[in-house]
Amino acid sequence: DTAVSQTPKYLVTQMGNDKSIKCEQNLGHDTMYWYKQDSKKFLKIMFSYNNKELIINETVPNRFSPKSPDKAHLNLHINSLELGDSAVYFCASSQGGLPGSPLHFGNGTRLTVT
Amino acid sequence: GNSVTQMEGPVTLSEEAFLTINCTYTATGYPSLFWYVQYPGEGLQLLLKATKADDKGSNKGFEATYRKETTSFHLEKGSVQVSDSAVYFCALSDGNDYKLSFGAGTTVTVRA
Repeated sequence: DTAVSQTPKYLVTQMGNDKSIKCEQNLGHDTMYWYKQDSKKFLKIMFSYNNKELIINETVPNRFSPKSPDKAHLNLHINSLELGDSAVYFCASSQGGLPGSPLHFGNGTRLTVT
Repeated sequence: GNSVTQMEGPVTLSEEAFLTINCTYTATGYPSLFWYVQYPGEGLQLLLKATKADDKGSNKGFEATYRKETTSFHLEKGSVQVSDSAVYFCALSDGNDYKLSFGAGTTVTVRA
């Protein structure tokens, strides 16, 4: 059974469009995250939610808006897509607040903006 | 703030060679330390972790020891296989801000 699943796996779209990526976890975790991985494999945290409350909001353009309808879901909506948004976006979850609690990652969504 | 510095790659090895990837960290307090592995086309998977000084994490033949005195968590494997080809990330969490800080990743390629 997939623990953290995100859809779609690939997303190809044109500049200016709006798109969404969905994420669901069945691990019973209370904290979920979005990370962006660039072409050099560097990982940067974007957002984190704990029990549906936004707790981390890094320096991300406000074209990116996360939404957490419940503890098991965290979606990412991106408005007015730009070429620089092309990357792999990873969803992750953890049992937040516990020392040593690892993150569990989805398999990523490769976003290509043309 | 917290930060992780790991050895730059890429690293190319022959099968059965010894692998070391250096990782040092800067953190306030007593962080937990992790190594994650990313195989091609996949997400990151936890490889091993250590939560306090002198702890050794181990998994799949990989080991790393949490060294507070040198603020290091170097990853080692005695005999690598082609299937170990992946990107390896060192990471830390101080448990206070729900955030995992990652190193830049080290790409390892093992040749048969």
